Amino acid sequence: DVLLVESGGGLVMPGGSLRLSCEVSGLTFRTYSMNWVRQAPGEGPEWISFISSRSNYIYYADSVRGRFTISRDNARNAVDLQMNSLRGDDTAVYYCVSSMGEIYFDHWGQGTLVTVSA
Amino acid sequence: EIVLTQSPGTLSLSPGERATLSCRASQSLSSNSLAWYRQKPGQAPRLLIYGASSRAPGIPDRFGGSGSGTDFTLTISRLEPEDFAVYYCQQYGGSPRTFGQGTKLEFK
Repeated sequence: DVLLVESGGGLVMPGGSLRLSCEVSGLTFRTYSMNWVRQAPGEGPEWISFISSRSNYIYYADSVRGRFTISRDNARNAVDLQMNSLRGDDTAVYYCVSSMGEIYFDHWGQGTLVTVSA
Repeated sequence: EIVLTQSPGTLSLSPGERATLSCRASQSLSSNSLAWYRQKPGQAPRLLIYGASSRAPGIPDRFGGSGSGTDFTLTISRLEPEDFAVYYCQQYGGSPRTFGQGTKLEFK
């Protein structure tokens, strides 16, 4: 079975930083693109970041560009999201999600909650 | 950015009935680049349909997708108890990839 397990969420003060990690098993990780998708309470999902299979293409949503950095390690089957300058509107469940390119999202982790509050 | 508008916001039906959910895009989607997801409470979304009409692996045939251009439909032929959830459409014909605001399918 495909399994994506996120970690690193928690409570952080505005302006603070947090690093999310996702470990993937059950699929050929090096052939998949990876994404982070977040979902604020009561809202629909929002795609925020993409990294291609060999890290040669990286994209961000306008809402996080310049503050968040995505990276991956194909040797560890892992993808990370470094989040800096966090704001209240970054409060959400953050999902690690695989895709075969810039298309639909095929496998999702269980999510990790990030709460930005003083 | 392509905006997806889903209707209705809430749909009240009973098990065994047929559900029809709509998703309209603000501009035409190339290659029918539309997917549907079901999200049960406390869970991550799960892919149901991609390419507007292709079922994802393991998805039962009571789920069907149709449409093209700007208008798309998800049909659930006979509702099971586990189908009462929130449904999202998502487009990948333009950048950034975007989701609709969701349709909640609730027990009547």
